Amino acid sequence: AQTVTQSQPEMSVQEAETVTLSCTYDTSESNYYLFWYKQPPSRQMILVIRQEAYKQQNATENRFSVNFQKAAKSFSLKISDSQLGDTAMYFCAFMQRPSGTYKYIFGTGTRLKVLA
Amino acid sequence: ETGVTQTPRHLVMGMTNKKSLKCEQHLGHNAMYWYKQSAKKPLELMFVYSLEERVENNSVPSRFSPECPNSSHLFLHLHTLQPEDSALYLCASSQEAREGYEQYFGPGTRLTVT
Repeated sequence: AQTVTQSQPEMSVQEAETVTLSCTYDTSESNYYLFWYKQPPSRQMILVIRQEAYKQQNATENRFSVNFQKAAKSFSLKISDSQLGDTAMYFCAFMQRPSGTYKYIFGTGTRLKVLA
Repeated sequence: ETGVTQTPRHLVMGMTNKKSLKCEQHLGHNAMYWYKQSAKKPLELMFVYSLEERVENNSVPSRFSPECPNSSHLFLHLHTLQPEDSALYLCASSQEAREGYEQYFGPGTRLTVT
């Protein structure tokens, strides 16, 4: 069965510093998508970044980038120049549809606190 | 705020009550989802609708009954719930019910079953 593991329940980082959140997943399929979602305190969950498994190039979105290691089944998120507004729960998610069955698997999340 | 709204935002209900959660998306999407978010547990996908047709039901107890009258509205009807059903229920939508599409989430309904 597909699983997503986020091994860091909580992390903190100083404002303007860089932090990396880890995510590993398990699947036997070769075609899938990976996402990082952000859920700020008392606010709606929003997409941070998206990666297609068949693309070798790591996705980037401004200060957010991923390190996608397909063979190792690893998908870490790097946040550069951390800002107070980055304080949130971050969820790694895996999505695919093998044999017509929808699979949307989320990790347990990493609570990130950016310190002033 | 995103284009997905949920009502009510908070709900307290007894185990013998019947209530409904409502979700509405203003994004023109064709797919809608219900998730359950419990503390220290991964988000659990409950139901997937594509063009108003249920395409996934992840072994959810029958005390949860979804309804999708059109592509903009999604309901979750609740009856004879258990205390362990207390959680944040999130609605989401996406352009299509396919794995590559970003999901847009609502703010959730915080449900407490007493």
